[in-house]
Amino acid sequence: NAGVTQTPKFRILKIGQSMTLQCAQDMNHNYMYWYRQDPGMGLKLIYYSVGAGITDKGEVPNGYNVSRSTTEDFPLRLELAAPSQTSVYFCASMGGRNQPQHFGDGTRLSIL
Amino acid sequence: QKEVEQDPGPLSVPEGAIVSLNCTYSNSAFQYFMWYRQYSRKGPELLMYTYSSGNKEDGRFTAQVDKSSKYISLFIRDSQPSDSATYLCALLQGAQKLVFGQGTRLTINP
Repeated sequence: NAGVTQTPKFRILKIGQSMTLQCAQDMNHNYMYWYRQDPGMGLKLIYYSVGAGITDKGEVPNGYNVSRSTTEDFPLRLELAAPSQTSVYFCASMGGRNQPQHFGDGTRLSIL
Repeated sequence: QKEVEQDPGPLSVPEGAIVSLNCTYSNSAFQYFMWYRQYSRKGPELLMYTYSSGNKEDGRFTAQVDKSSKYISLFIRDSQPSDSATYLCALLQGAQKLVFGQGTRLTINP
């Protein structure tokens, strides 16, 4: 069972570059989420989606964009990367209301 | 005031000890409570999930919820070195968004 798959696992970007973090799930889950985790901190919600074509902002959306054209995929776009976006990014999916979320293994991103 | 407060530790105990991890929260709207375990360089994995006050047991793990005090706990009995990880409490809002505690880094010493 693949579950939630995130690519790439690691990436180094220069300030001002752009990139897309990929997230795919094979559990036919409607709900998908993007979080960032900074050292010694919990997870903060960036964006989330309750189904294909529907996205909404979380706690820390500035500098990021998302799209949800299919149930399976939920890519996160960074435009004009900044050092403050250095973090570990986690994608998660949830099968239905009030259910636990299932996480991928993260993408470690450094902006230099 | 943060919505969810969790002591970040670090917490270090000898193998076989009983471990107690705790979170407090301020919003009584939270109705679902989870504990996630996160190993180094891995994503969080669900450990316990509960939605009512009281205790829920699963092997060596017990989750306790006290909604009147807005306090949740995770107990680990007969702790093992493989339990060394960061433990995150997570509370679910009606809008289907999880709010996480800061995480407690736990080390079990052989």
